[in-house]
Amino acid sequence: SQQGEEDPQALSIQEGENATMNCSYKTSINNLQWYRQNSGRGLVHLILIRSNEREKHSGRLRVTLDTSKKSSSLLITASRAADTASYFCVVPKRGSGNTGKLIFGQGTTLQVKP
Amino acid sequence: DAMVIQNPRYQVTQFGKPVTLSCSQTLNHNVMYWYQQKSSQAPKLLFHYYDKDFNNEADTPDNFQSRRPNTSFCFLDIRSPGLGDAAMYLCATSRMRATDAGETQYFGPGTRLLVL
Repeated sequence: SQQGEEDPQALSIQEGENATMNCSYKTSINNLQWYRQNSGRGLVHLILIRSNEREKHSGRLRVTLDTSKKSSSLLITASRAADTASYFCVVPKRGSGNTGKLIFGQGTTLQVKP
Repeated sequence: DAMVIQNPRYQVTQFGKPVTLSCSQTLNHNVMYWYQQKSSQAPKLLFHYYDKDFNNEADTPDNFQSRRPNTSFCFLDIRSPGLGDAAMYLCATSRMRATDAGETQYFGPGTRLLVL
């Protein structure tokens, strides 16, 4: 399976702390995306990083990509209670040409305690 | 705001009774997807439409069908729901389907299906 695998499966931190989630995948990719899912807003795209990029920032989010290790990390700085959600690492499905299929990892459940 | 809308948010059906879930989008995107997500699991793609071109996943049961009468609407039909079909059903859209370019998918809030 080329599915991304997130680590840890669950993470609990205090508000204001940083949260780091890791993702590993098995096949070569051209891009990797992170999505967030919570009960209020459903699944929302957070950030996309391309294979020729090593790091990308968006507000309090920092994503890294190491294609040699087939891994990515998502860092959320100065976490807030509203960041409580599941975070999914998502890679394109290989061998499907231009079909737009995405493969979701199992996700990391983040709880930010106020 | 442009968005993906799913109705209803919660659907209760009886074992074996056909049910239809609806999705509409105001993004004017070419591609619409249906995912099934069971509790504490990742979303699993059932099928997608690229314009009017239907693409079924190999492991999607025949019990699941879809219709896209126009650009804005897409329906998921479950012909004979079983207890194992109870799940969250997510509709998503993307402008194009080129995976190499990294197309973002925009998701609706989902319909939670309960089968009694």
